[in-house]
Amino acid sequence: QVQLVQSGAEVKKPGASVKVSCKASGYDFANYDINWVRQAPGQGLQWMGWMNPNSANTGYAHQFQGRVSMTRDTSKTTAFMELTGLRSDDTAVYYCAINYFHFPYWGQGSMVAVS
Amino acid sequence: SYDLTQPLSVSVALGQTARITCVGNNIGSKSVHWYQQMSGQAPVVVIYRDTNRPAGIPERFSGSNSGNTATLTISGAQGGDEADYYCQVWDSYSWVFGGGTKLTVL
Repeated sequence: QVQLVQSGAEVKKPGASVKVSCKASGYDFANYDINWVRQAPGQGLQWMGWMNPNSANTGYAHQFQGRVSMTRDTSKTTAFMELTGLRSDDTAVYYCAINYFHFPYWGQGSMVAVS
Repeated sequence: SYDLTQPLSVSVALGQTARITCVGNNIGSKSVHWYQQMSGQAPVVVIYRDTNRPAGIPERFSGSNSGNTATLTISGAQGGDEADYYCQVWDSYSWVFGGGTKLTVL
């Protein structure tokens, strides 16, 4: 079955960077874009961007351009999301999700606290 | 940027019908997807492409989309349906989520 398993919780200082991983299994990793969505405490879902694991092409939401980088390691079927210049309002749960015309599969989420 | 507006909260009596709206400019021309998020859990799709229900989602969940409003309908709401619900569309090379609606079953 399709699974997306994300890395564990992180605590970072303001100004630092964080890199969250998303290990995919149960499907052909190269065939479906990986998207990243975050959710601040008590807030809604915020889309961050997408990455095509085959081509490594990316597309980022305007508010994250210049601070976010989405990459992959195809040999390990793992996607990564790195966010730099962390601020307190980056404190959130970060999710990866497969794009198949919508988001049918999600990772369990990775909590990133900036303090 | 494209905006999707949802009511902050909707309440429904047990066994009655709940309707959650998602308002966007000419949203009827787009495909709308709906997600249910239980407290502390990742979102789960309950309706995709306006009206389609994934395997395992109860028949009481249905969707419609026309004009400027998409609607998620939960017929015969159960206590286990209490959750946050989000609509989603693709617009101008970006995914957009509505602000979310908290459903309370009384």
